[in-house]
Amino acid sequence: EDQVTQSPEALRLQEGESSSLNCSYTVSGLRGLFWYRQDPGKGPEFLFTLYSAGEEKEKERLKATLTKKESFLHITAPKPEDSATYLCAVQAYSGGGADGLTFGKGTHLIIQP
Amino acid sequence: DTEVTQTPKHLVMGMTNKKSLKCEQHMGHRAMYWYKQKAKKPPELMFVYSYEKLSINESVPSRFSPECPNSSLLNLHLHALQPEDSALYLCASSQSGGVGEKLFFGSGTQLSVL
Repeated sequence: EDQVTQSPEALRLQEGESSSLNCSYTVSGLRGLFWYRQDPGKGPEFLFTLYSAGEEKEKERLKATLTKKESFLHITAPKPEDSATYLCAVQAYSGGGADGLTFGKGTHLIIQP
Repeated sequence: DTEVTQTPKHLVMGMTNKKSLKCEQHMGHRAMYWYKQKAKKPPELMFVYSYEKLSINESVPSRFSPECPNSSLLNLHLHALQPEDSALYLCASSQSGGVGEKLFFGSGTQLSVL
């Protein structure tokens, strides 16, 4: 069974204080690892897809990295508007057909001014 | 247009009611999904449609009935729900359900069952 574990569950930072969120995963065959951002009462918003160990992607203050067992979402000099829940999800091989994503429980990030 | 539109945004229903949730996308996507999200929990996959055919049904109770009338529309018919079914119901779409495709999510329908 595919498993995705995110840590920490919650993180409170001061504006400008850089940090990293962790996502460890166990899947039978990884098709892709995804990072989403979710604001309260809204649907998840796509951030990144990573496919293979060693891959990195960046967008503004966010950088995602991937190893064979985990992914990190690094946030550099965050601003209050970066406050949200960050969700990690995996897509695994299932023998064909469209597959959904298996999500972790998320990290609730609060950036204080 | 990169939006997935869900209606209604909020729904309150009794346990004997029949209601439907609607989802629409005009991105030409051929895979559409229903997820259920309880408060402070991650989204959980319910159904996947690929090219208008149901391809995944994650052992969801029969009181939830999905329908995909065409490639742009996805409905979720609700009947005889329980209070524990109260949740945010999210619709998503992707190009074709292939490898590594990102899912585009709607803002969801917040459902309360009394």
